[in-house]
Amino acid sequence: GAGVSQSPSNKVTEKGKDVELRCDPISGHTALYWYRQRLGQGLEFLIYFQGNSAPDKSGLPSDRFSAERTGESVSTLTIQRTQQEDSAVYLCASSLTLGRVYEQYFGPGTRLTVT
Amino acid sequence: EDKVVQSPLSLVVHEGDTVTLNCSYEVTNFRSLLWYKQEKKAPTFLFMLTSSGIEKKSGRLSSILDKKELFSILNITATQTGDSAIYLCAATNYGGSQGNLIFGKGTKLSVKP
Repeated sequence: GAGVSQSPSNKVTEKGKDVELRCDPISGHTALYWYRQRLGQGLEFLIYFQGNSAPDKSGLPSDRFSAERTGESVSTLTIQRTQQEDSAVYLCASSLTLGRVYEQYFGPGTRLTVT
Repeated sequence: EDKVVQSPLSLVVHEGDTVTLNCSYEVTNFRSLLWYKQEKKAPTFLFMLTSSGIEKKSGRLSSILDKKELFSILNITATQTGDSAIYLCAATNYGGSQGNLIFGKGTKLSVKP
């Protein structure tokens, strides 16, 4: 079946502009996660959603970052007033349920470049 | 602060060599340790380890966890060029955010023909 998809695959934006990244999880997966990977760094957790529960936003680096998810479907990660340090690959993952972190399926990522 | 440290950061070997990748962790209420292989952008799951001393094996890859010394190793025998990738280690803990994997920076493995 279809895996996790993300769009766009690449995004170049000017400093100060807002960007919106999209993630389509695997159908039936109730848990969805966003990560950031800066060049040469490991994955940083940003936020996760589990069904209709309140999301865990503990990893969001600043109030310029926000994310939404409608039910158990598409999620969008929005970065307002982008800064150069926001340049990174943003990875989305989904899993059947929240507890099964070892069965996270990752999307191909969105490479964001802020000029 | 919880952290996961991997070593070496990069490694270049020739086909047929055996490699050992290291992952040490300092995580409160440690639960499990996971290994991923990352080619291009998306990591793929390799192993999850929760108990000390029990080797997980998949083909030429194997991994083991030492909860006393707080580390794990990933072994790859008879390496092939297709093994070239970044290998990520991540830890999970009890009581913390269940969605939160604490990742190391990864080891970049390059296998030369």
